[in-house]
Amino acid sequence: DIQMTQSPSSLSASVGDRVTITCQASQDINTYLNWYQQKPGKAPKLLIFDAANLRTGVPSRFSGSGYGTDFTFTISNLQPEDIATYYCEQYDNLPRTFGQGTKLEIK
Amino acid sequence: QVQLVQSGAEVKKPGASVKVSCKASGYTFTTYDIHWVRQASGQGLEWMGWMNPSSDKTGYAQKFQGRVTLTRNTSISTAYMELRSLRSEDTAVYYCARLEGDSPDYWGQGTLVTVSS
Repeated sequence: DIQMTQSPSSLSASVGDRVTITCQASQDINTYLNWYQQKPGKAPKLLIFDAANLRTGVPSRFSGSGYGTDFTFTISNLQPEDIATYYCEQYDNLPRTFGQGTKLEIK
Repeated sequence: QVQLVQSGAEVKKPGASVKVSCKASGYTFTTYDIHWVRQASGQGLEWMGWMNPSSDKTGYAQKFQGRVTLTRNTSISTAYMELRSLRSEDTAVYYCARLEGDSPDYWGQGTLVTVSS
């Protein structure tokens, strides 16, 4: 199975900050990577697909980049409603596997 | 609008089976694959398997092979996930999700399955 190493596991930032989360795959996954936002008690919400494509309706302050094994997810101009846990997911190979998650808090 | 509505919470004893349903509406059920993902309390996401509602083709994570079965009833646009030989470690919220291309764009609300003696 492909291992997805996501970091940091948690982070605290201020409103307006730029926040970056990284995800490293244990082998080349091309750009077959999704990013999700999950709020407590809710299902995950797809934000980014194919590593860098913003899903329709998702604010443009969210972005993703990367190829191969190293990927980055960025929130520019952090907003209070962005408080959530974020996950990466690879779908190059089955089983699909997720990163451990990054819990984002507001300072 | 697209909706996936899952069945309600379940409490099961170790060794029992559970069958969770996922009713789709707002789109043609047979057009999109359905995936199942689970999440133990306070833990991360774990992919279980997928099903093509048109062909009935399925695929399962090795971890669940032999214990999980994904089925569907196209006449009522509903997908099912059955997990057998339940153990305490199977206590989790189970989600179904529709795939647009390779990415789950709509999710069910989740079904809590509690395994306890």
